[in-house]
Formats: sequence, structure tokens, C-alpha cells
Amino acid sequence: GAVVSQHPSRVICKSGTSVKIECRSLDFQATTMFWYRQFPKKSLMLMATSNEGSKATYEQGVEKDKFLINHASLTLSTLTVTSAHPEDSSFYICSAKGGAKNEKLFFGSGTQLSVL
Amino acid sequence: AQTVTQSQPEMSVQEAETVTLSCTYDTSENNYYLFWYKQPPSRQMILVIRQEAYKQQNATENRFSVNFQKAAKSFSLKISDSQLGDTAMYFCALKTQGGSEKLVFGKGMKLTVNP
Repeated sequence: GAVVSQHPSRVICKSGTSVKIECRSLDFQATTMFWYRQFPKKSLMLMATSNEGSKATYEQGVEKDKFLINHASLTLSTLTVTSAHPEDSSFYICSAKGGAKNEKLFFGSGTQLSVL
Repeated sequence: AQTVTQSQPEMSVQEAETVTLSCTYDTSENNYYLFWYKQPPSRQMILVIRQEAYKQQNATENRFSVNFQKAAKSFSLKISDSQLGDTAMYFCALKTQGGSEKLVFGKGMKLTVNP
């Protein structure tokens, strides 16, 4: 089946630094990828939709200058948390749209970000 | 706007028993997909089962089946012969066709299968 690789799985950083999270579709091309955020024991909240070769579409309330998304190729999308603060600590999950009719969503394994 | 509601935050079941997880949703679209995802302690999201709204027949995948009631906007998941490995968070999700096709998740339900 289709595989989405997300890296790193866990990152600890100091407040004020930037962190980049990568999401790769390993065996298929993904024109659209999605970035979610999940708080402990909570559901997944969509942050933004990442489209290859164009600007990401952010959900209401998500700061685009804080969470930079780049989708430069059909197999890679990156999420950069800029000037991270402790309140940015969370579990971030990416997903990629694929399947014969592009109707399936495949998820990465997630990244636990802890900002000290 | 699309919404997905899972009203049961937590359930437990004995191994080998059957359990039903409830989900209701709301959308004004006619064409959409419904999903159940499982998130075990590893936190990897795993697709359990998928239902296309235009199909009247309920989807089944081995021990997992759904009861899709389109008029009532209800989409429950039945797990038969529960196994210890079924212990996980279960999320109901809705995706409409067209537009951004983003996935809207319910709040999730924690299922514990006891030996």
C-alpha cells in the first residue's frame, strides 16, 4: 500500500528557534497534502492544505507566517514552525491524497514537537 | 459547514465480544465519503473502513462493518470478535467531494478491549 513518511518523529527545541517537519509520499505522487495538529487526547485539527507548486491554503485561525508550508515537489511537503513557543508544542500529522481516483488519504506517523 | 459528532468519549469491551461505535454527521453535500480511522498508542492513523455516500450497501472489512443511515446522517462502526489489538482511539471522519476535499474528524472515542 501507499506509504507516507514523516520526519522527524520527535523533536525538542528551544523557544524562539524554527523547526522543519518533512512529509514524503514514498511510492506515489501527491499533488495535495494536508497538515493536521493534534492536542493530547483530542481530535485532529486541519491546519492547512498544501498544493504542489502553489501557495498553501490555511484554515481560519492558523497563522501562515508562523506555520510555513512548502510543497515544491510531487512527493514532498514541509511544515516549518517559525519562532517556536511552548504553546506550539503538539503532535503534527501530515497526510497525502492518493489512490487510483485520488480518493484515499494516507497518513504519516506524526511528529511530536516539544518547545522548551 | 461539515460537522462530525462522536458522543461517546470512551468504551470498553471484553475480548471476543462485539462493540458498536456511534457517529453522526452533518453536511449539505450529496456526494461525500465517510471513514473510520483507528489511532493506536503508536499514534499512526490507520484507515479501518470507508463508505461512499451514494452506495446504499454497508461497507464491510473482515471484522469491521458499518451501519450507514444516510437519511439520519448516522455512520456507526461495529467491531465483531474484538481483539486486544483493537484497543485504540477511533475517529469518524467526513470528506466531501469537490472543493478542498479536506477531512473533518470527530472528537474520537477511546476503545479498550479487555482480556
